Amino acid sequence: KNQVEQSPQSLIILEGKNCTLQCNYTVSPFSNLRWYKQDTGRGPVSLTIMTFSENTKSNGRYTATLDADTKQSSLHITASQLSDSASYICVVSDEAGGSYIPTFGRGTSLIVHP
Amino acid sequence: DAGITQSPRHKVTETGTPVTLRCHQTENHRYMYWYRQDPGHGLRLIHYSYGVKDTDKGEVSDGYSVSRSKTEDFLLTLESATSSQTSVYFCAISESPGGHTEAFFGQGTRLTVV
Repeated sequence: KNQVEQSPQSLIILEGKNCTLQCNYTVSPFSNLRWYKQDTGRGPVSLTIMTFSENTKSNGRYTATLDADTKQSSLHITASQLSDSASYICVVSDEAGGSYIPTFGRGTSLIVHP
Repeated sequence: DAGITQSPRHKVTETGTPVTLRCHQTENHRYMYWYRQDPGHGLRLIHYSYGVKDTDKGEVSDGYSVSRSKTEDFLLTLESATSSQTSVYFCAISESPGGHTEAFFGQGTRLTVV
């Protein structure tokens, strides 16, 4: 069964500090991996998308990395801001017969304190 | 924000009653999805559609049905609501499957079955 595990479950940091969130997956055949940000009471919003051949992708202060050999990804947030407080969700897609079958992690809840 | 609207945003219903949630998009995207989000679980796919009148089941489809008679509308029906279907429901849209293009999520519908 496809699985996506995220760590830590929750994280508290001070404004201005950096942090790294982890995602391990057992999804096969692998298609792509995405990181989403979900603010409280809202739907998720895509931050980055990476395919098998990509090992890093940035979106402003967010940088995602992918190691397809070890099936691990990380999301690094630089110089955190209060608005970064949210849940960050790792999503891995496979392509079983061409259909869209995503597997979502449970998310990491990030709280940024002033 | 992508043109995707869910209605209603909040609903309380009684056990055993049918409930229909609506997802409306103005982006003309081919693919539409219904997810549920519960504490301790990642987002789970209920059903998805890859065109008008073309739908398929996700991992948690029991007790749910869907219909798509127009490109812009995707309806989720709980045939006989149960307390286990109390959840936050999200609709999403995308231009292509497999995560190769960004999926846009609606604001969510909070459903309580009493």
